[in-house]
Amino acid sequence: EDQVTQSPEALRLQEGESSSLNCSYTVSGLRGLFWYRQDPGKGPEFLFTLYSAGEEKEKERLKATLTKKESFLHITAPKPEDSATYLCAGNGYSGGGADGLTFGKGTHLIIQP
Amino acid sequence: NAGVTQTPKFRVLKTGQSMTLLCAQDMNHEYMYWYRQDPGMGLRLIHYSVGEGTTAKGEVPDGYNVSRLKKQNFLLGLESAAPSQTSVYFCASSRTATGELFFGEGSRLTVL
Repeated sequence: EDQVTQSPEALRLQEGESSSLNCSYTVSGLRGLFWYRQDPGKGPEFLFTLYSAGEEKEKERLKATLTKKESFLHITAPKPEDSATYLCAGNGYSGGGADGLTFGKGTHLIIQP
Repeated sequence: NAGVTQTPKFRVLKTGQSMTLLCAQDMNHEYMYWYRQDPGMGLRLIHYSVGEGTTAKGEVPDGYNVSRLKKQNFLLGLESAAPSQTSVYFCASSRTATGELFFGEGSRLTVL
């Protein structure tokens, strides 16, 4: 059974204090590791897709990296507007269907001014 | 560009009542999905569709039915609502089976 585990569950940082969120996965035939951002009362918003170990992608203060067992979302010098829940999801082989995506429970990030 | 639109955004039902959630997307995506999100749990797939006229079961399909009569619309029905179906429901669409999902803003359902 595919599993995606995110840690920590919650993280409180001061503005400008860099940190990393972890996503550990056991997904058969990984076809993509996704990161989403979710604001309160909203739907998840796509951030990145990573396909192979060693791949990195960046967007503003965020950088996502991938190894064979984990993905990290690095947040550099965060601002209060980066406060959100960050979701990780692994897309595994599903026998040709479209139901191979497994979501983690998310990391609730709070950036204090 | 509206993206994915869900209606209604909020609904309160009594146990045993029925209702339908409507999802519409304007991106011409083939794939559409219904998820539920509960506290302390990740998003769980209820049903999905790989194209007009098709539907398939996800991880938690019991108590729900779906229809995709038009490519742009994906309906989620509850025939006899139960308190366990109290949740936030998200519709999503994607261009391919492995591509990124575009989510709606959610529909919060309470079953009393």
